[in-house]
Amino acid sequence: GQNIDQPTEMTATEGAIVQINCTYQTSGFNGLFWYQQHAGEAPTFLSYNVLDGLEEKGRFSSFLSRSKGYSYLLLKELQMKDSASYLCAVVDSNYQLIWGAGTKLIIKP
Amino acid sequence: TAGITQAPTSQILAAGRSMTLRCTQDMRHNAMYWYRQDLGLGLRLIHYSNTAGTTGKGEVPDGYSVSRANTDDFPLTLASAVPSQTSVYFCASSDSNTVAGKAFFGQGTRLTVV
Repeated sequence: GQNIDQPTEMTATEGAIVQINCTYQTSGFNGLFWYQQHAGEAPTFLSYNVLDGLEEKGRFSSFLSRSKGYSYLLLKELQMKDSASYLCAVVDSNYQLIWGAGTKLIIKP
Repeated sequence: TAGITQAPTSQILAAGRSMTLRCTQDMRHNAMYWYRQDLGLGLRLIHYSNTAGTTGKGEVPDGYSVSRANTDDFPLTLASAVPSQTSVYFCASSDSNTVAGKAFFGQGTRLTVV
């Protein structure tokens, strides 16, 4: 079966750095997405990786290793508004999105 | 730009009743999706449509039906609601001519079946 694993919850301090990991086992791979979802709101796109390596976009970076079935989202200079759930999703061989359950990130002052 | 609009935003529905959740997008995206999101389970695909006139079943299609008469609209119908269909429902769309699978989401419909 297809599976996406992420930690359920993480806590970090304002101004610090946090890394959210995602491991996957899917039938085929055509890219990996990270989405942010604030409580009670819709998911919004953060990043897309299809090749190995690091993609940097401001305070957020996303890394992919296809051989290890592994990705992480790195958030720097954490702000209170970064408190949200972060969803990892993989595009499988049928170009369908397979979603992880999400990681709830709690930022403390 | 409106993007994707869902209606209603929330609803309490008696078990056994039918209901249609509406979804409209103005981005001319060819692909549209319906997901349900339950605590601890993440987003699960109910039905999808790759283009107007075609639909397909997702991971959890039972008890739901969809239609795609045109590009913009993708309604989801519950024929006879059951309490296990209590969930938050998200409609999404994507343009397969751009980044594969990048989806834009509506604001969701919170449905409670009692």
